[in-house]
This record gives sequence, C-alpha cells and structure tokens, in this order.
Amino acid sequence: GESVGLHLPTLSVQEGDNSIINCAYSNSASDYFIWYKQESGKGPQFIIDIRSNMDKRQGQRVTVLLNKTVKHLSLQIAATQPGDSAVYFCAENIPSGTYKYIFGTGTRLKVLA
Amino acid sequence: KAGVTQTPRYLIKTRGQQVTLSCSPISGHRSVSWYQQTPGQGLQFLFEYFSETQRNKGNFPGRFSGRQFSNSRSEMNVSTLELGDSALYLCASSLGHMNTEAFFGQGTRLTVV
Repeated sequence: GESVGLHLPTLSVQEGDNSIINCAYSNSASDYFIWYKQESGKGPQFIIDIRSNMDKRQGQRVTVLLNKTVKHLSLQIAATQPGDSAVYFCAENIPSGTYKYIFGTGTRLKVLA
Repeated sequence: KAGVTQTPRYLIKTRGQQVTLSCSPISGHRSVSWYQQTPGQGLQFLFEYFSETQRNKGNFPGRFSGRQFSNSRSEMNVSTLELGDSALYLCASSLGHMNTEAFFGQGTRLTVV
C-alpha cells in the first residue's frame, strides 16, 4: 500500500492494551483540534475533535486530552485492536479568520497480535 | 450519504505537462480544501475554496491553482509539472464554518516521471 511517511515515529502496542499517541501543536492561539486516522491507501479519517475550552473529550474507545499550557494533545485508544493499525495525525485550526488546518507529522501505530 | 469523491485515483504524467484533479464534496458542504501529502513533508495545505471563492492559500508556487464551481465541486490544476510534485493530493470537504470537522477523500496519487 501507499506509505504516508517513511520516517514516522512508531508506537507498537499489544492487542488489547491501551494506546497513547501524543502531539505537540504549534500555535497557542489554536482553538480547535482534530485527530485523524490514515490507513494505507486511504485518505485521513476523522476520529474525534476537541475545542480549546475543553480539557478532555471521549468518544467510542477514544479519548482526547488537551493541555493548553504546554500545547499538547494526546489520543488514547482503549483496548487496541488490529484494525487500529494506521498513521494518526493531529490537526490544529488557527483562528485567523480563515479556514485551514495545520497537521502534525503523524505517528504510526502498530498493533501486535 | 456519499462521501468525498476524488478523481482520478491514480495518475502518471511527464515533467512539463499539466494536470487537473477533481473533488466532489459531501452534499451540502460548501468548503473544499486541498492538501499535498508526501513522505518528507507530510500534509501541506494548498488552498481552500468556499462558495466559489478562494479563502486561503498555502505556500505553494503559482503553478498550483484551483477553482470551485457553483455546485461546490472543485478542481485543482498543476502546470509545468516537476518530479517533486509527485504526491498524494487530498481534498477535504466541510460545512465551511470555523471549528467544524473536515472530511477527506481517498486522494489522487500523482506520479511525475
């Protein structure tokens, strides 16, 4: 399949364990964040979002944590499954009156059976 | 509800040629953004269109251009292709308001030889 990044940081996790993927964002003024999942040969898929007035948001098996003090986002995946293997990107939206996202470099998650 | 559709999925062009890529957004979405994805640079913002107007532009040369039609479908064009333009070109569709999620298509894999 297509490679989205040859030198991405990789996180290897045993099936059934929890995964934590981290992201440092660039702009302290960013007020909206999204986590995307990209599987080989596919476009990024929306997972979960969070606004800057929140510290935590939960979805189905996923939780996003936002620490504005240190400009840090994390994505927690509970009970990781083989289908979770993919590259994960965080994206930040900078409120400049325009609409564009700045993406992080991505983290490759490998789920070990 | 149909997702974001990009055509073609794969394209091979020769240096110096030009290419046009197409994106049909999710029905009701008025914003279309384009991104270039390469292993070395990750996801880079190209431009965003909303109601047939370019609202924002990334740091790409003038060889990269786009447009949006009244039905929200968008095209991007790259003229005088260079080897370095080989990439996965992704289109994202959204309602177009601040802090709303963007949904991606599968992308067009462009190879310049």
